[in-house]
Amino acid sequence: NAGVMQNPRHLVRRRGQEARLRCSPMKGHSHVYWYRQLPEEGLKFMVYLQKENIIDESGMPKERFSAEFPKEGPSILRIQQVVRGDSAAYFCASSQQGASGNTIYFGEGSWLTVV
Amino acid sequence: AQTVTQSQPEMSVQEAETVTLSCTYDTSESDYYLFWYKQPPSRQMILVIRQEAYKQQNATENRFSVNFQKAAKSFSLKISDSQLGDAAMYFCAYRSRLGETSGSRLTFGEGTQLTVNP
Repeated sequence: NAGVMQNPRHLVRRRGQEARLRCSPMKGHSHVYWYRQLPEEGLKFMVYLQKENIIDESGMPKERFSAEFPKEGPSILRIQQVVRGDSAAYFCASSQQGASGNTIYFGEGSWLTVV
Repeated sequence: AQTVTQSQPEMSVQEAETVTLSCTYDTSESDYYLFWYKQPPSRQMILVIRQEAYKQQNATENRFSVNFQKAAKSFSLKISDSQLGDAAMYFCAYRSRLGETSGSRLTFGEGTQLTVNP
């Protein structure tokens, strides 16, 4: 029973390039969340998605960042024209339901380094 | 908006001893969940324990237990018989139980780095 799968685990991008992070939720989970962890900080909520819907993107930067969770395939967090400040760990999490207390399970994270 | 505060950036404990990590939070809601997550050097986020606010009984999971004081908005984690493998960053987190959107996100504290000395 695979957990939340993220890839790549490590990604290096030059300033101005695009970064694309993928997340496959746990089997049976239809709710996906993305969190960002900057160095020496806690996790900060970015976006919450269900299949083909963005439910809450209040934590997403207004520019360069986008997320999707298509009907088929993994959820994708896309960062365009990356800058050094985007260097962080990006965690994906999933749950069976958005509310009602169902536990949120995290992936192992994707580490983005912008050089 | 809810906030979570962990006032201890670092803590240390001797192997086999007991340590308590502090967490306070601020909310105007009455129904919510509280969690402790562990982040070892591998950086994976691992759920340690969960508490429903409507339950008066403190949650326990083997060597891990919480002291939930709802009126004081305090949620501390006690680790008994500490083991070397307990060394990690520990995050306290809040999750509202209300609504489809606000009921989904976790709000994390800044973390407490726990060192276990042999």
